[in-house]
Amino acid sequence: NAGVTQTPKFRILKIGQSMTLQCTQDMNHNYMYWYRQDPGMGLKLIYYSVGAGITDKGEVPNGYNVSRSTTEDFPLRLELAAPSQTSVYFCASSWKGYEQYFGPGTRLTVT
Amino acid sequence: AQKVTQAQTEISVVEKEDVTLDCVYETRDTTYYLFWYKQPPSGELVFLIRRNSFDEQNEISGRYSWNFQKSTSSFNFTITASQVVDSAVYFCALSEEGGGADGLTFGKGTHLIIQP
Repeated sequence: NAGVTQTPKFRILKIGQSMTLQCTQDMNHNYMYWYRQDPGMGLKLIYYSVGAGITDKGEVPNGYNVSRSTTEDFPLRLELAAPSQTSVYFCASSWKGYEQYFGPGTRLTVT
Repeated sequence: AQKVTQAQTEISVVEKEDVTLDCVYETRDTTYYLFWYKQPPSGELVFLIRRNSFDEQNEISGRYSWNFQKSTSSFNFTITASQVVDSAVYFCALSEEGGGADGLTFGKGTHLIIQP
């Protein structure tokens, strides 16, 4: 039982490039989330999903897109990367919205 | 709108001292959930506790204890006889709906430093 896995662990992007952050969970959780954590700040919700085929915006969705075609996977897409998207990205999952279990994070730098 | 305030940005204590981390929340809902997470230097987020708004009993787990007071909208976290391994950033978080179905609102965290 690997829990929540994220790839890659680190990535450097040039301004304007695109990439997909991968997130997979093997706990059969129906709810999944993407957060970003900026230095000295708490986590802010980007997008969430309550089940396959259902996604919704969180507090800071601009510049990102998500999809949820399976229960296990919840990829986050960055289009036209900007320096403001430099952050640590965490994926999380939960059962019926209770305590969330987090992946190890992806550290992204946009230069 | 919901909000979580952790006024203590950083706390430094000597090992074996007791330390309390403060958390104050704002919400209009009568049903809500409060959480504490630990983020050690390695960066992962570790779930510590979940408490719903109808359960005001304090909880103790080993050296950790939590004091929930609805009257002051606070959910404070105390570590007794602190250890160096307790050094981490601690986050308090709140959810108004479904226990977290639409995500958590986090405070900015308190960086706890335990000096040997």
